[in-house]
Amino acid sequence: NAGVTQTPKFQVLKTGQSMTLQCAQDMNHEYMSWYRQDPGMGLRLIHYSVGAGITDQGEVPNGYNVSRSTTEDFPLRLLSAAPSQTSVYFCASSPTSGGAGTGELFFGEGSRLTVL
Amino acid sequence: AQKITQTQPGMFVQEKEAVTLDCTYDTSDPSYGLFWYKQPSSGEMIFLIYQGSYDQQNATEGRYSLNFQKARKSANLVISASQLGDSAMYFCAVGGKGTYKYIFGTGTRLKVLA
Repeated sequence: NAGVTQTPKFQVLKTGQSMTLQCAQDMNHEYMSWYRQDPGMGLRLIHYSVGAGITDQGEVPNGYNVSRSTTEDFPLRLLSAAPSQTSVYFCASSPTSGGAGTGELFFGEGSRLTVL
Repeated sequence: AQKITQTQPGMFVQEKEAVTLDCTYDTSDPSYGLFWYKQPSSGEMIFLIYQGSYDQQNATEGRYSLNFQKARKSANLVISASQLGDSAMYFCAVGGKGTYKYIFGTGTRLKVLA
């Protein structure tokens, strides 16, 4: 049972480099989202998607791009990494079709990103 | 807009005792859901319990129960008979049914003492 799979689990970047965090789910969930977790800040929503071709911004979208070409995949792109983007990133999906209050999130294991 | 406040950065509880983790929320959505997650030191996020805003009874899942007071906008998590394995970070979250945003609090770190 794969669930939500994130790759890579660890990554070190230099300032200005670009990279993509991959997220795939095999549960046929329409809803997918990306969070970042920083000490003392909890989890903050970066971007989310309610289906293929549909994405929207969360609380902290600056510096990140997303796309949703298939139901299964929701990659997060950092175009020019900055030290402030050092964080743990979580991808999460939900079967909810009636809004965020109707179903819990299923999380990936997280990706730890360090930007030097 | 939605907001979650968890005012207890850290809590201690003796093994086998009950503990309450506080959560207050704010949302403009008339219909919403409240969630609690556990994050052990290994880092994964584990779903614990869900409460819908129109549910008449407080949610329970094994040793977890949610003390839902709608008028006060609070959704406290009660863990009964604490175990050493309950030591973890606990996050409260709210999701409005009219939106697609789940918003999390800053978490409470619980330490269970032997």
